[in-house]
Amino acid sequence: DGGITQSPKYLFRKEGQNVTLSCEQNLNHDAMYWYRQDPGQGLRLIYYSQIVNDFQKGDIAEGYSVSREKKESFPLTVTSAQKNPTAFYLCASSTQALAEHYEQYFGPGTRLTVT
Amino acid sequence: SQQGEEDPQALSIQEGENATMNCSYKTSINNLQWYRQNSGRGLVHLILIRSNEREKHSGRLRVTLDTSKKSSSLLITASRAADTASYFCATDKYNAGNMLTFGGGTRLMVKP
Repeated sequence: DGGITQSPKYLFRKEGQNVTLSCEQNLNHDAMYWYRQDPGQGLRLIYYSQIVNDFQKGDIAEGYSVSREKKESFPLTVTSAQKNPTAFYLCASSTQALAEHYEQYFGPGTRLTVT
Repeated sequence: SQQGEEDPQALSIQEGENATMNCSYKTSINNLQWYRQNSGRGLVHLILIRSNEREKHSGRLRVTLDTSKKSSSLLITASRAADTASYFCATDKYNAGNMLTFGGGTRLMVKP
């Protein structure tokens, strides 16, 4: 059963704590992405990775960090430096970041609440 | 700023009616994609139209692209209550691979 999974679905943290969101895919995709979505808004790109051991900052990378040690996994850490971390976080993957005409496959998302 | 902007932001129609959503973008693109998001869920890809295409169909979906006006429209015909969702357009940047920029979305409600 192929797909992209995110865990947990809901996450609650106290302000000042780092938190790591999980993203796993078994689609054999090279590229993976992290987006942030605020209520009633579109998606904004946080980080992306085109290949294992390589990743690039997106439009809103400040206060976030990622790693890509395995093709299947692309965890996102929301650090205490992120000023407004409460949001819905979406992970996606695609066949090949540098190629044209490829759709992105999305996970179900993690809703993070920081109080 | 976001590359794509949808219009209207919200749309409410009766079941059986057609729904039209528009998307405008700013820079040259390779392709434009439409995605659907049910409340609190991930996005699902609906359709992709390439910059050299003007119209594309998929079931009850019809997408048009006008590169001279930098705009696209998504038409859902004979809408159903199950079509209630948010719809997003996403554009790539010319020669920038598969990096997508999403618009703010149109929230569609189809009343039974």
